[in-house]
Amino acid sequence: GENVEQHPSTLSVQEGDSAVIKCTYSDSASNYFPWYKQELGKGPQLIIDIRSNVGEKKDQRIAVTLNKTAKHFSLHITETQPEDSAVYFCAASSTNYGGSQGNLIFGKGTKLSVKP
Amino acid sequence: NAGVTQTPKFRVLKTGQSMTLLCAQDMNHEYMYWYRQDPGMGLRLIHYSVGEGTTAKGEVPDGYNVSRLKKQNFLLGLESAAPSQTSVYFCASSRGSGGYEQYFGPGTRLTVT
Repeated sequence: GENVEQHPSTLSVQEGDSAVIKCTYSDSASNYFPWYKQELGKGPQLIIDIRSNVGEKKDQRIAVTLNKTAKHFSLHITETQPEDSAVYFCAASSTNYGGSQGNLIFGKGTKLSVKP
Repeated sequence: NAGVTQTPKFRVLKTGQSMTLLCAQDMNHEYMYWYRQDPGMGLRLIHYSVGEGTTAKGEVPDGYNVSRLKKQNFLLGLESAAPSQTSVYFCASSRGSGGYEQYFGPGTRLTVT
């Protein structure tokens, strides 16, 4: 089955700096890669996703890149702000199959701290 | 729209006690999921449902049962709670499988002593 590795587990940056979180996946059938943000005391919320037919996607200060050959994808946050402090999860799934293969497999999370 | 709601928010159980966690969604989603979140372990899928009346096992189903009698509700049951089931439980729903956004509830913090 799919296995998703996420690094680093904690990341501390100064306000205004960039932050990068990296994930690798094992199943070449995976073709959908979302990123979720979890603020303290809340449930995770989707912030951006990418499908395997594109290599990069941007939404204001966040971007995600995908390298299908190397089976890794990354989240980039530019001009970080204190409100970006949260736990970020990457995930992977396949849209080609039903059943359990369509379920999301999550990485273990990265706790991002942005210091003012 | 309330989205995904979970009750209760907190619960403390003694070993061997039973309880049911309720999840409700008002988005008419077909798919619903129960996850547990433990420190350093990310989100692990316990059970899921692809529609009313269906349930299926996820990654860590042992010790849990689920039911989906109504499309909008997904119940997670612990028949005989164990300390290893101390965790934060999240319910989620989505329109479909694979490439669809999952919407998460606020979570239930369960402590088993």
